[in-house]
Amino acid sequence: GDSVTQMEGPVTLSEEAFLTINCTYTATGYPSLFWYVQYPGEGLQLLLKATKADDKGSNKGFEATYRKETTSFHLEKGSVQVSDSAVYFCALGGSARQLTFGSGTQLTVLP
Amino acid sequence: NAGVTQTPKFQVLKTGQSMTLQCAQDMNHNSMYWYRQDPGMGLRLIYYSASEGTTDKGEVPNGYNVSRLNKREFSLRLESAAPSQTSVYFCASRPPARDYEQYFGPGTRLTVT
Repeated sequence: GDSVTQMEGPVTLSEEAFLTINCTYTATGYPSLFWYVQYPGEGLQLLLKATKADDKGSNKGFEATYRKETTSFHLEKGSVQVSDSAVYFCALGGSARQLTFGSGTQLTVLP
Repeated sequence: NAGVTQTPKFQVLKTGQSMTLQCAQDMNHNSMYWYRQDPGMGLRLIYYSASEGTTDKGEVPNGYNVSRLNKREFSLRLESAAPSQTSVYFCASRPPARDYEQYFGPGTRLTVT
């Protein structure tokens, strides 16, 4: 079945540091890929998405590129801010229009 | 426009007690979902409803029942709570023509002692 493997956390960075959170997937066919973010005390929000190979999703300075050859969708940001502290979930959209989530990566950004 | 709302925000139950978690959305979405979130396991789908009057099991349905009361409301019931059901529960809804973009409620933190 479909599965998503995410880099284990927690990740702690200083403000303005470069962020990478790794995500790889296993799926049949050509799934859509997503990053969701969960701020403290809130539900998940869609951060960005890519629906086909080589697509780049971007939002709020975050980017991720759909790499079919490596089955990856790594999240990157060039300069993180304290306000980026959250839990980040990689997700795969497979059959039946359902999402399969990774285990989440806690990011803490220190001033 | 409140989005997806959930009640209660927190709940403590004793083993064997029952309760219903409520979820409502005001975005006119057809599809609604219930997930549980456990440390290190991400979100796992309990039940979903593609439209009013239909419900289907997800990955972890045992111990739960659901009701799609109308287009707005989708409730999750624990008939006899167990400590293994201690978790954070999220309700979500999905707009039509957006296959995977889901809108989440703020969650219910449930502890079963």
